[in-house]
Amino acid sequence: AQSVTQPDIHITVSEGASLELRCNYSYGATPYLFWYVQSPGQGLQLLLKYFSGDTLVQGIKGFEAEFKRSQSSFNLRKPSVHWSDAAEYFCAVGEASGNTPLVFGKGTRLSVIA
Amino acid sequence: EAGVAQSPRYKIIEKRQSVAFWCNPISGHATLYWYQQILGQGPKLLIQFQNNGVVDDSQLPKDRFSAERLKGVDSTLKIQPAKLEDSAVYLCASSARGEQFFGPGTRLTVL
Repeated sequence: AQSVTQPDIHITVSEGASLELRCNYSYGATPYLFWYVQSPGQGLQLLLKYFSGDTLVQGIKGFEAEFKRSQSSFNLRKPSVHWSDAAEYFCAVGEASGNTPLVFGKGTRLSVIA
Repeated sequence: EAGVAQSPRYKIIEKRQSVAFWCNPISGHATLYWYQQILGQGPKLLIQFQNNGVVDDSQLPKDRFSAERLKGVDSTLKIQPAKLEDSAVYLCASSARGEQFFGPGTRLTVL
């Protein structure tokens, strides 16, 4: 069965520091991988996605993620965090065929301190 | 391009009452999903439509939840009767070319 694990429930970083959010997945077929961000009271906004090709993908707001098939990981990174990045981050996996439900991790809450 | 619309944004009801949520997907998107997001968890699929047909409703509690997508566009999700554990955010999403676009959600509180 498909599953996504986000090991860190809550992370606190200082503004300007680098960030890495971990995501491990279990998927039998070729996966589509996604990172979404959710601010309080808001819906999910897509940060970036990986379908195929270059394993380092760039997203919006200065985020990037690296797909590592051997480690079944898709970690999200940002070199310098801004206070506005404080939110909940969700990793998700879907089928490469598209138009299938996404399986989400439980999320990582990011707090940013001055 | 307009996004996925949902209403209402917030709803408070008492247990055993009924409630309905509405979703209008992005124009031209044939696939529509309803997810339930309980506080502190990621969204979980309730039901998936392709046009006006159900593709997957295996995780929908059919004794109390129902959903329809008439004419393959708008969709409604209904809960009757509601239980305390139904308190959650209900997210609607539509998809094209493998990417899902989410609405703002409806936050349901059952007292």
